[in-house]
Amino acid sequence: SYELNQPPSVSVSPGQTATITCSGDKLGSQYVCWYQQKPGQSPLLVIYQDIKRPSGIPERFSGSNSGNTATLTISGTQPVDEADYFCQAWDSNTAVFGGGTKLTVL
Amino acid sequence: QVQLQESGPGLVKPSQTLSLTCTVSGGSINSGSYAWTWIRQPAGKGLEWIGRVYTSGSTTYNPSLKSRATISLDTSKNQFSLEVTSVTAADTAVYYCVRSFVSRGFDPWGQGTLVTVSS
Repeated sequence: SYELNQPPSVSVSPGQTATITCSGDKLGSQYVCWYQQKPGQSPLLVIYQDIKRPSGIPERFSGSNSGNTATLTISGTQPVDEADYFCQAWDSNTAVFGGGTKLTVL
Repeated sequence: QVQLQESGPGLVKPSQTLSLTCTVSGGSINSGSYAWTWIRQPAGKGLEWIGRVYTSGSTTYNPSLKSRATISLDTSKNQFSLEVTSVTAADTAVYYCVRSFVSRGFDPWGQGTLVTVSS
């Protein structure tokens, strides 16, 4: 089965740039979405179709996808961005999620 | 603005059937080419896509559930439902109902409902 691999944790200082990667075989050949999940809350879509932001998502969130790796970048990271982040793609008509990355802002 | 709300028993006995309903408000479940989806998340773990139903009634499921899941639409009530048969402790999770559209991702999500499988 298809696997999406994410680092378990990423740390960043406030105001710096956070980069979260998601790797999978030929991932760049399909669209990737990213979700933010804060403790006790439902996931929130922050990036779809690799690079697009839904309405209401701050411009500091951006995405890219090429080769075997998709990347979520948070520029000027704020303490409110501390959360778990999940990437998602499709494999044979089945949605697949990465294991999640805990972003710590300290 | 479309909102989704899960409902159903929070406790199910092993080997029995888990049944959940998602009520959609703020829009018709019949409008557009949306897929109405169930996703679950065991405590402290990642997300698992269970399956989806289109407004046409066609369905797709995650093979990992080995045909135990059934998703259906009730357009008269603006709801869709999930059944998972022969549950075990491994089915204990927060269950989310979600809307999706082609490659635009899963949005919005319901608040989630915890289902515990225990005798």
